[in-house]
Amino acid sequence: GAVVSQHPSRVICKSGTSVKIECRSLDFQATTMFWYRQFPKKSLMLMATSNEGSKATYEQGVEKDKFLINHASLTLSTLTVTSAHPEDSSFYICSARELGQEGTEAFFGQGTRLTVV
Amino acid sequence: GEDVEQSLFLSVREGDSSVINCTYTDSSSTYLYWYKQEPGAGLQLLTYIFSNMDMKQDQRLTVLLNKKDKHLSLRIADTQTGDSAIYFCAETRYSSASKIIFGSGTRLSIRP
Repeated sequence: GAVVSQHPSRVICKSGTSVKIECRSLDFQATTMFWYRQFPKKSLMLMATSNEGSKATYEQGVEKDKFLINHASLTLSTLTVTSAHPEDSSFYICSARELGQEGTEAFFGQGTRLTVV
Repeated sequence: GEDVEQSLFLSVREGDSSVINCTYTDSSSTYLYWYKQEPGAGLQLLTYIFSNMDMKQDQRLTVLLNKKDKHLSLRIADTQTGDSAIYFCAETRYSSASKIIFGSGTRLSIRP
């Protein structure tokens, strides 16, 4: 199946700093990528939908200035957590749909464990 | 209430069948999915079913969809220790630009 690569897999940062997470579709083109956040023992919460070449669509309650999303190409979307706070510590997962296959499966990255100290 | 609901835990004896249940609320759901998540890992798509299907079988996995009751189930035959994981039910809706909405996940544990 198609591969989505997420980097880094783990990151520790200090409060107040920013951290960037990359999501790449390795062998397909994705016009749409999704960013999820997973709290311990909880389900995945959709944060935003990243659209190539346009602004991301954020879910209700998600601060767009806090979680900056850039989808500059058909294979790369980035999530930047700005001015990180310990409450931002979480497991972030991206997913991507193949161009023209929006009705079927989405492929998920392996996730990024963010710890803010 | 939640759009997609699952029970949180299921314990099964090794070799028995596991049945994980899911209910959803939106009748415009187009695709329904089952994902598996092992500890500290991302999500692995196990199988999916289109909303006009009743059943889909893939080796040890059987998905049943009751669209009238908005009920989806995943049956794992001959459950093995490697099946221990969290299983997420998910849906996409025609009206939601292909967003995937997840249930809370069911933690499957296998006892000897």
